[in-house]
Amino acid sequence: QSALTQPASVSGSPGQSITISCTGTSSDVGGYNYVSWYQHHPGKAPKLIIYEVRNRPSGVPDRFSGSKSGNTASLTISGLQAEDEADYYCTSYAGTTTYVVFGGGTKLTVL
Amino acid sequence: EVQLLESGGGLAQPGGSLRLSCAASRFTFSSYVMNWVRQAPGKGLEWVSAISGSGEYTYYTDSVKGRFIISRDNSKNTLYLQMDNLRVDDTAVYYCAKATTVAGTFNYWGQGTLVTVSP
Repeated sequence: QSALTQPASVSGSPGQSITISCTGTSSDVGGYNYVSWYQHHPGKAPKLIIYEVRNRPSGVPDRFSGSKSGNTASLTISGLQAEDEADYYCTSYAGTTTYVVFGGGTKLTVL
Repeated sequence: EVQLLESGGGLAQPGGSLRLSCAASRFTFSSYVMNWVRQAPGKGLEWVSAISGSGEYTYYTDSVKGRFIISRDNSKNTLYLQMDNLRVDDTAVYYCAKATTVAGTFNYWGQGTLVTVSP
């Protein structure tokens, strides 16, 4: 069982928007602004798409956005494109004992 | 562009050992925390271990504590994971990942190396 809870799957049509939630506790998501999101196409290396809750690395389209409220972080993808179909994972720093926790992952299907 | 190249994966028996390596290039290796993250077949990503830039501090997920040891050789720009007393549920693709200055933020990943633990 993963430390952070994500929906197993979400879907949307091209051009639509979807949101993926990532729920933790006050010891991880709620306690630090160190939530990251990764896009993972099977067989490839995961790619960082959001860091520190809402920041995008260079080269990541602004269709990807992040936010956080309390113990729940969210990733929103607007203007869905076929190439967005992938698995998405959230992570959070969780202090020096647990260190890092992952979400269970969400499979995004673009219909 | 940062490069991370894992090696050392393969087939091991339960109770056996393997040593993974990750050769890093095109960044100041000793300045960054390095991590191992794994993905078991059909499962999600799981953080395994991290080591500070100097090697002084190490961190492990509970399931590998006492069995895995993370280390680094900054003179060779190489990260290691010594895996002992392997279990079937250690079967996974193991990724080497470079952190940013923020713990748990992995901005570069290797392509992964497959570890299979089977009788």
